Amino acid sequence: VVMTQSPPSLPAILGQPASISCKSNQSLVHIDGNTYVSWYQQRPGQAPRRLIYKTSYRESGVPDRFSGSGSGTDFTLKISRVEAEDVAFYFCMQGTHWPQTLGQGTKVEIK
Amino acid sequence: QVQLQESGPGLVKPSETLSLTCTVSGYAIYTSSYYWGWIRQTPGKGLELIGSIYYDGSAYYNPSLESRVAMSVDTSKNQFALRLTSVTAADTAVYFCARLGWNDGPDFWGPGTLVTVSS
Repeated sequence: VVMTQSPPSLPAILGQPASISCKSNQSLVHIDGNTYVSWYQQRPGQAPRRLIYKTSYRESGVPDRFSGSGSGTDFTLKISRVEAEDVAFYFCMQGTHWPQTLGQGTKVEIK
Repeated sequence: QVQLQESGPGLVKPSETLSLTCTVSGYAIYTSSYYWGWIRQTPGKGLELIGSIYYDGSAYYNPSLESRVAMSVDTSKNQFALRLTSVTAADTAVYFCARLGWNDGPDFWGPGTLVTVSS
């Protein structure tokens, strides 16, 4: 499964919303009914951190300005109000089909 | 808190074998429900799952690398390992180890280790 993520670079404005898209070339609905799409944040020099799993479930401790949505083949990570600490590399990952595949990533910087 | 740490040579010669170990703390590998995996990140190809292994040694490899990959687990040391044979410059990457579900993506990652393939 190919995960096409866009944009590769996102100049975001502090306090403004920002969104990142991931599109798959086949449906990510699993036979068990779940849609296994995760979103990750990777700050420079740090290990990736999972923000969202199963499309829209937020990990414990993740600020509620981060949200995940989507279905089928189209998925989105939204930041409702960008903060300076959100500068990072973000990527999506699908786990519905083996092998799990990842998007190319989006570098979020402050404009 | 689950923590993972990669270790191994940072430089490997072309055609030789890349070997990395991941040491897990805060969680026993032999506990069921999770797999243990390797993911690499390159500027050119981006992020790629190499494979994952269960505590009983059942391993699953990405078809794109399957012919060159072997993973193993040592529950007594709470470690798992990666071997990648016949490496080329294209295998130069940051290698991450991680805990993951069969369908859920990794929930805990190591900080990553850069491996350069060069003579």
